[in-house]
Amino acid sequence: KAGVTQTPRYLIKTRGQQVTLSCSPISGHRSVSWYQQTPGQGLQFLFEYFSETQRNKGNFPGRFSGRQFSNSRSEMNVSTLELGDSALYLCASSFGGPNEQFFGPGTRLTVL
Amino acid sequence: KQEVTQIPAALSVPEGENLVLNCSFTDSAIYNLQWFRQDPGKGLTSLLLIQSSQREQTSGRLNASLDKSSGRSTLYIAASQPGDSATYLCAVADNSGYSTLTFGKGTMLLVSP
Repeated sequence: KAGVTQTPRYLIKTRGQQVTLSCSPISGHRSVSWYQQTPGQGLQFLFEYFSETQRNKGNFPGRFSGRQFSNSRSEMNVSTLELGDSALYLCASSFGGPNEQFFGPGTRLTVL
Repeated sequence: KQEVTQIPAALSVPEGENLVLNCSFTDSAIYNLQWFRQDPGKGLTSLLLIQSSQREQTSGRLNASLDKSSGRSTLYIAASQPGDSATYLCAVADNSGYSTLTFGKGTMLLVSP
């Protein structure tokens, strides 16, 4: 079956702009989690959505937000981009709860 | 707050060697532990998932063990191949019921022909 898909795969933005990233989970999965990966900090949890509700949130500023749709697809938005937001953004899907997580290929965001 | 540490940060071995990657975590109240592989610039590929009640899991040349009480897991790779070159990450899920994973920084493995 199809894996987790993320679009776009690459993005270049300038400081102050906003960006929206999309994640489509594996069919049947209702949980989508988002992570930011940088060389210095590694993988850090952003937020988790289950059945259109945010269930958990990491320690990131309010500029980072997300939502989930009724078909379980999820989007994350970053407003007022900063240079430090340059990272690989990964989403993961699962059936929900602490079950096995499956990751997408990521979106590489570069902020100039 | 859970902290996950992976040692070594980098490892270089000749093809054919057996090797062990280490992962330690500070809070033993985990639900499961998952090992991932990441190729440069790519997403994560799940390798093995060990539930907190299990001691080990095996998949092909990979064997992962878990000692929850001591906060340790190891990933054993038998007869390493150049295609095994990648970064290996371990991640733990706690008992909160959420899908949240706490990751280590990874071990970058290079297997030379």
